[in-house]
Amino acid sequence: AQKVTQAQTEISVVEKEDVTLDCVYETRDTTYYLFWYKQPPSGELVFLIRRNSFDEQNEISGRYSWNFQKSTSSFNFTITASQVVDSAVYFCALSLNSGGYQKVTFGTGTKLQVIP
Amino acid sequence: DTGVSQDPRHKITKRGQNVTFRCDPISEHNRLYWYRQTLGQGPEFLTYFQNEAQLEKSRLLSDRFSAERPKGSFSTLEIQRTEQGDSAMYLCASSSPDRAGILYEQYFGPGTRLTVT
Repeated sequence: AQKVTQAQTEISVVEKEDVTLDCVYETRDTTYYLFWYKQPPSGELVFLIRRNSFDEQNEISGRYSWNFQKSTSSFNFTITASQVVDSAVYFCALSLNSGGYQKVTFGTGTKLQVIP
Repeated sequence: DTGVSQDPRHKITKRGQNVTFRCDPISEHNRLYWYRQTLGQGPEFLTYFQNEAQLEKSRLLSDRFSAERPKGSFSTLEIQRTEQGDSAMYLCASSSPDRAGILYEQYFGPGTRLTVT
C-alpha cells in the first residue's frame, strides 16, 4: 500500500519569510513518481513539479525548491521569500505505474497562509 | 490549449435525485481520471479511462456511480439516487500517454462542487 503524509496541517508565515512544507511517503515499489500540486482558493489544482524515484537531484525554480531524499522517504518543498499569492493548500502526491496507469495517492495537504 | 474543463462548476440537488457531470480533457491526452475531494482532504481516486476504456474503478465508486467516455474524448460521471454523503468536489484530470516509461503529470480541471440537500 502507498501512503503520503503531510504532517503540517496549517502553516502561517509573514511575507518574505522562507517556509518548508514537509512530505513523507511510503511505498514498496522501487519505481515511482512524486508530485507537488498547489490548490489556491479558486479550487483548481495546479501542477508544480514531478520527480521520479531515480532522480534525487534537488530542483530550484525561482522561489521554489524541492529536496528529495530517498533515505528518509521525504520530498520537501521550500518557498523562499514567501508572498501573499503563495497562500494556498499544497498537496504532495505519490504515483505508481499500476498496470499501465498512474495510481496516484495524495496527502491531506498543508494550508499555507502568508500574512502581509 | 484551453486546459481541462468541467461542467457544471456547482450543482445543488435534493437527496434522491440523479446528477451528471461532464469533463473535457486536454485534447491530446488519452488518459482521464475522476477524483473526489472532501473538505480538508486530498483528492481520492475514483476511476480511470484510457481512451474510451474504463480500466480501473476504486471501491469508493459504489453502484450508484457510473462513468463513461464514449468516444475517448469527453467523459461523464453520473450519480444516481444522490445521498448527502455524496456532497464533495468532483475533479477530473487528464494526462499524456506514457513515453519510454515516463509517467506524466495530471492536469486538473476546476472541479464540480456538488451539494446534496
